[in-house]
Amino acid sequence: GAVVSQHPSWVICKSGTSVKIECRSLDFQATTMFWYRQFPKQSLMLMATSNEGSKATYEQGVEKDKFLINHASLTLSTLTVTSAHPEDSSFYICSARDIQRIGETQYFGPGTRLLVL
Amino acid sequence: RKEVEQDPGPFNVPEGATVAFNCTYSNSASQSFFWYRQDCRKEPKLLMSVYSSGNEDGRFTAQLNRASQYISLLIRDSKLSDSATYLCVVNVGRTDKLIFGTGTRLQVFP
Repeated sequence: GAVVSQHPSWVICKSGTSVKIECRSLDFQATTMFWYRQFPKQSLMLMATSNEGSKATYEQGVEKDKFLINHASLTLSTLTVTSAHPEDSSFYICSARDIQRIGETQYFGPGTRLLVL
Repeated sequence: RKEVEQDPGPFNVPEGATVAFNCTYSNSASQSFFWYRQDCRKEPKLLMSVYSSGNEDGRFTAQLNRASQYISLLIRDSKLSDSATYLCVVNVGRTDKLIFGTGTRLQVFP
């Protein structure tokens, strides 16, 4: 089955640090990847849609200058949390859609836990 | 009003029990519907898609009522391993974007 990886799986950093999270589709190509955030006991919230070769589309209320997204290839999207603060501590999950499989749902990465001290 | 609403539970049921979860969605233009399962501190995993005609996968049965904008999931013969949070997921109109409900927590006890 389709596999999506994320790296790192967890990160602890000091306030003010920038953190980069990678999302890779391992055995398929994805023109579109999605970035979600999940706070404890809450649902996944879509942050942005990452489009290969073009700018990401951000959801309302998500600061594009704070959450930088780059989708440079059909198998890799990165999310950079710039100048992270404790309120950015969360579970960040990416998903990808296989461009060869029309109608298929998204495949989720295992997530990255971010703790900002 | 939330776009996807679920009863958060928890539902505590004994092994072998039948349990049903419900979900309502607000966007009548939604086209795709899913149930995902999320274990504690893990990513969500697709349990099953939900079709208008209803569909079954082993002990799991999903139903969709477009007129009422209502989705259900029935689990028969519950196993301990079914303990998880079940997320109702709907796409945004005719896009690829997914909206997740807050989930219903199920705890199956021996």
